[in-house]
Amino acid sequence: GESVGLHLPTLSVQEGDNSIINCAYSNSASDYFIWYKQESGKGPQFIIDIRSNMDKRQGQRVTVLLNKTVKHLSLQIAATQPGDSAVYFCAENNADSWGKLQFGAGTQVVVTP
Amino acid sequence: GAGVSQSPSNKVTEKGKDVELRCDPISGHTALYWYRQSLGQGLEFLIYFQGNSAPDKSGLPSDRFSAERTGGSVSTLTIQRTQQEDSAVYLCASSLAFTGNQPQHFGDGTRLSIL
Repeated sequence: GESVGLHLPTLSVQEGDNSIINCAYSNSASDYFIWYKQESGKGPQFIIDIRSNMDKRQGQRVTVLLNKTVKHLSLQIAATQPGDSAVYFCAENNADSWGKLQFGAGTQVVVTP
Repeated sequence: GAGVSQSPSNKVTEKGKDVELRCDPISGHTALYWYRQSLGQGLEFLIYFQGNSAPDKSGLPSDRFSAERTGGSVSTLTIQRTQQEDSAVYLCASSLAFTGNQPQHFGDGTRLSIL
């Protein structure tokens, strides 16, 4: 399954499949991006970040891709597990407003057995 | 290890009352941030503190909102004469430094409900 942009609220994915969560940003000056996972009743949990001088970064079961040409960011989760069910936010930052992370509305990921 | 700690976790109060929300950042983190999250929404920046520099208050929605950070550590967000639209989850974050490309780590927030 695939989620396009931050305005699509829910992504359903079967356990074991790969998930792709997309994020479109508008500020071409944004140079640092972070993906957060937020479970119900909890604060956002840092997953992975990427700087604008990179186009790909990998973590444990997660990969972030950055396409600056079209101002697009994606988070790929390999072998999605029930514990991956949460809301995922991308956040962007830039030197003009450093520290003021700009968040989208988030994507709800639901993992089905 | 200890993360960002916020208290109280929940606060219910009547319209017009003042409230104080507390944040203990991760030890050694010099930057501290406050955000607000309304139901089902993303996070809205409120204010940040970096070391001894003057805080950036540009995100505070009105003069009823203020924040302090004492001794470069604990921070308190105060909302005076609360209104129903102030109901939200108030999240605090800290980062190791303010100099670029440091992820912000969040606490679990204070859920504020104004009756």
